[in-house]
Amino acid sequence: NAGVTQTPKFQVLKTGQSMTLQCAQDMNHEYMSWYRQDPGMGLRLIHYSVGAGITDQGEVPNGYNVSRSTTEDFPLRLLSAAPSQTSVYFCASSYTVTRGLPAYFGAGTRLSVL
Amino acid sequence: GDSVTQMEGPVTLSEEAFLTINCTYTATGYPSLFWYVQYPGEGLQLLLKATKADDKGSNKGFEATYRKETTSFHLEKGSVQVSDSAVYFCALSEKAGTALIFGKGTTLSVSS
Repeated sequence: NAGVTQTPKFQVLKTGQSMTLQCAQDMNHEYMSWYRQDPGMGLRLIHYSVGAGITDQGEVPNGYNVSRSTTEDFPLRLLSAAPSQTSVYFCASSYTVTRGLPAYFGAGTRLSVL
Repeated sequence: GDSVTQMEGPVTLSEEAFLTINCTYTATGYPSLFWYVQYPGEGLQLLLKATKADDKGSNKGFEATYRKETTSFHLEKGSVQVSDSAVYFCALSEKAGTALIFGKGTTLSVSS
């Protein structure tokens, strides 16, 4: 049981490049989400999904795209990277049936945009 | 909207000292409350949770009680260890299918 797996762990991009951050979970969780963590800002929600084929925007969605074609995978796409997107990105998953159930987090992707 | 406010850090303690990290929340309904811990270079791990008023969550010597009257969920530990050095996040979940809302995190540093 691997839990939530994120790849890559580290990435350096040049301004304007695009890339996809991968996230996969093997717990059959309906709910998946992407956060970014910046110093002094805590974790801010980028996008989330309540099930395959359903996605919605969070607090800071601009510059990011997501899709959810399967229950297991929830990739995050940076369309045209900007230095403001330098951050640590975390994927999380959880059941949606009961609100008291916690989220499980991946180990994170540290992204630098030059 | 819903929000979580944590005490500013960093918190610096000596080993075996008593720890309190304050957390208050604003929510329209009756949220579930969580404490997550992030060790250096790692993702977040659930530390404890409480789902209704007066519930006490506990784990690894840490405790927090859901206080609806004061909208608080303060984290406490009677005797901290060097291995407790980490960033601690308070979070709430308003209802099923919604995202966790996090506080900004409190860095704890424990020295021997």
